[in-house]
Amino acid sequence: QSALTQPPSASGSAGQSVTISCTGTGSDIGGYQYVSWYQQHPAKAPRLLIYEVSQRPSGVPGRFFGSKSGNTASLTVSGLQADDEADYYCSSYAGSDIWVFGGGTKLTVL
Amino acid sequence: EVQLVESGGGVVRPGGSLRLSCVGSGFRFDEYGMIWVRQVPGKGPEFVSAIRWNGDNIGYEESVKGRFTISRDNAKNALYLEMSTLRAEDTALYYCARDAGGLAFDVWGHGTMVSVSS
Repeated sequence: QSALTQPPSASGSAGQSVTISCTGTGSDIGGYQYVSWYQQHPAKAPRLLIYEVSQRPSGVPGRFFGSKSGNTASLTVSGLQADDEADYYCSSYAGSDIWVFGGGTKLTVL
Repeated sequence: EVQLVESGGGVVRPGGSLRLSCVGSGFRFDEYGMIWVRQVPGKGPEFVSAIRWNGDNIGYEESVKGRFTISRDNAKNALYLEMSTLRAEDTALYYCARDAGGLAFDVWGHGTMVSVSS
């Protein structure tokens, strides 16, 4: 299984919005409604932000929004805050109890 | 407190074996699917293996098939990853995580480091 494709970096000024893309195939993102997004700060474990394309676990602010179109998923972070500066990873179920992750996007808050 | 704690990592020579463990607490371990994910520092996470709540369904990343075995003991709230014929490219921080129910992972351990080196 190939990794999902994410841009290596993204940036935005505090208060602005930024969107991170995640491109897969019809065998993963395009085939299932099980796309998730994770935030990871340095030396920390990943934190679940979005599941099932657009659902937020309790405790995750509404500033984080997930969507999907075809084989591409997106994470939009609005009202950027300093603490949003982190690495972001997408993941998709790929069938047969297999998952695939993206290579990650480093978000910088200017 | 809901938590997962991994152990069993270490330094091993190529071709060697290790057994990782992950113990859950603060939740009904036997109600959740579990996953092993590894991450090389500075790189994205990589799926390794997954097991459903009852152990009936298991998946492996292609490069570990035949070398790694995932299992669980719900009576001990424990998840395992038996790793054999280890290669340098298996070097990574290994995390266990809980399937939140939407085929996404909401609780992660702190990770245990595996280094394969001669």
